[in-house]
Amino acid sequence: NAGVIQTPRHKVTGKGQEATLWCEPISGHSAVFWYRQTIVQGLEFLTYFRNQAPIDDSGMPKERFSAQMPNQSHSTLKIQSTQPQDSAVYLCASSLVWGGSDTQYFGPGTRLLVL
Amino acid sequence: GDSVTQTEGQVALSEEDFLTIHCNYSASGYPALFWYVQYPGEGPQFLFRASRDKEKGSSRGFEATYNKEATSFHLQKASVQESDSAVYYCALSEFNTGKLTFGDGTVLTVKP
Repeated sequence: NAGVIQTPRHKVTGKGQEATLWCEPISGHSAVFWYRQTIVQGLEFLTYFRNQAPIDDSGMPKERFSAQMPNQSHSTLKIQSTQPQDSAVYLCASSLVWGGSDTQYFGPGTRLLVL
Repeated sequence: GDSVTQTEGQVALSEEDFLTIHCNYSASGYPALFWYVQYPGEGPQFLFRASRDKEKGSSRGFEATYNKEATSFHLQKASVQESDSAVYYCALSEFNTGKLTFGDGTVLTVKP
């Protein structure tokens, strides 16, 4: 089992450019989560899919961030018109089933730097 | 909203010392509680969890007991090793969604 795979591991973009981050969840897992990690804000929830359907995007900045899960083997997080404050580590996690007590397994993260 | 408070931002110990990291939570429902550990350049790794009052979770010599009355889930280890140096996160999971709310993390440094 390869675990959760995230690509790229590092990405540098210029202000105003678009960034797309990829996540491949653990095979057979039905829930996929995205989080963001910064020194100042810590680990923050962004959005969540269950069986590929978007369930909760309450943590997503409304205007420039979007997430999709076109099939069960991958999810993408897209940031349009990136800003320096978007610089962070973006983490993807998956769990076997949805629900409060199931364990989420995290990928290594994508470190995004916006210059 | 739900929240998790870790009292210690940094803990420095010597090998074989006893470790306690305090974790208290505030939640409207009955959450599951987790401890994760994060090494440099990696994502958080699941350590263990507890889902109900008085349940003890444990792994690799670490343990914590769910205390609903005190709203606590303190991490302990009897004898730490240099390899335990990492950042430790306490987290709670919303019952309906599984969405995790994390504490600010505790940096553990163990000197040989």
